[in-house]
Order: sequence, then C-alpha cells, then structure tokens
Amino acid sequence: EDQVTQSPEALRLQEGESSSLNCSYTVSGLRGLFWYRQDPGKGPEFLFTLYSAGEEKEKERLKATLTKKESFLHITAPKPEDSATYLCAVWHGGSQGNLIFGKGTKLSVKP
Amino acid sequence: KAGVTQTPRYLIKTRGQQVTLSCSPISGHRSVSWYQQTPGQGLQFLFEYFSETQRNKGNFPGRFSGRQFSNSRSEMNVSTLELGDSALYLCASSFSGEQYFGPGTRLTVT
Repeated sequence: EDQVTQSPEALRLQEGESSSLNCSYTVSGLRGLFWYRQDPGKGPEFLFTLYSAGEEKEKERLKATLTKKESFLHITAPKPEDSATYLCAVWHGGSQGNLIFGKGTKLSVKP
Repeated sequence: KAGVTQTPRYLIKTRGQQVTLSCSPISGHRSVSWYQQTPGQGLQFLFEYFSETQRNKGNFPGRFSGRQFSNSRSEMNVSTLELGDSALYLCASSFSGEQYFGPGTRLTVT
C-alpha cells in the first residue's frame, strides 16, 4: 500500500537551533515529492517540489533533499515565525492532482 | 495574481442535509483537486477535475461528488451529511509541477 510517514509528529526547538524533519515513503513510481507549510486555520502553502533522488532545493532557512526512500526538510537557525505544521506529499502516478499526504510535523520555535 | 479562492469559508449544517462548496482556481490553471482534512486522518484526496472531466477519484462514498465548469471553477457536493463529514475541505489548483491550495471551507455537521 502506498504510504507517506512523517517524523517526528511534533518538534520543539529554541530559536537558532537547527534540525531536520523526515518524510519517508513507500510508493510505486514516485513522480514527485512536495513540501508544504500549513498555519492554523489556513490552507497549505507550497514550499518545494523534488523530482529525483539527489535533488535539493532551498528557500530562506529551509532546504529540502530527496533520496530514493525519503526526504528531509532541514531548518537552519529557525525563528519563531517558522512555527507551523510541515506537510509532505507524494505524486505517485497518474495525474498530478492526486497526492498522498503524510500527517505532518508540527514545529514550534520558542524565542 | 489572485490565489485560489473558496466559498463559503465556514458552514454549519445538520445531519441529513446536503452542501455545495465552491472553488475558483488560479487564473490559467485547469486542474482542480479537492481534499478533506481532519485531525485524525490528515489530508485525504477526494477527486480531481481537468477541463471539466473527473480525472481521478479517491476512496470516498458516492455522497461526495463534484463538477468543473468551462471557466475551471469547481464545486463539490456532499449529500446526506453525516457527523463524520465535519472537516476542512481544501481545493487546490495545479500547473507545471506545483499545486496551490485555497484557504479551505470549514464544515461543521451537527
């Protein structure tokens, strides 16, 4: 069964304390992996798309990487405004509009 | 460029009623997907429309249906509402490898 698992479920960091979030997947025919940020009461905000193992993308304090089995979202020197739930989703075949989402990692960054 | 818009933002319905939610995608985006988000199950795919045709469907009962109009706007309908249908319903439009979500419609069934 196609599955996406994110860990940890929750992560509390001090401001400036770098860390990584994990997204592991078991899908046949991965065509793309997406990272989103979701704030309470809002829709997910698109961050990155990764298409092949070895690919990396960066945006401000965030860097996403992809291997054949998992993806990491590295957060460097986080700030309180980075607090949110981070969602990982895979596009496993067929049309792009059908994504399988993980349950997310809730990140809290304390000043 | 305007983002994905969804109406209404909040809705309270009674069990057994039906509801229609609306989504306007980003201009130029022809693919519209719908997802249900609940605390227990997370985000689950409902269906996807492209050029007025349903292209994919998730594992939801037939009470959940949708359609897309020629201007790419989409609606989803839930008939015979159940308490378990209470959720945040999210619409997303896709173009060239990126999928953008709207703010969602919070549906509460009492």
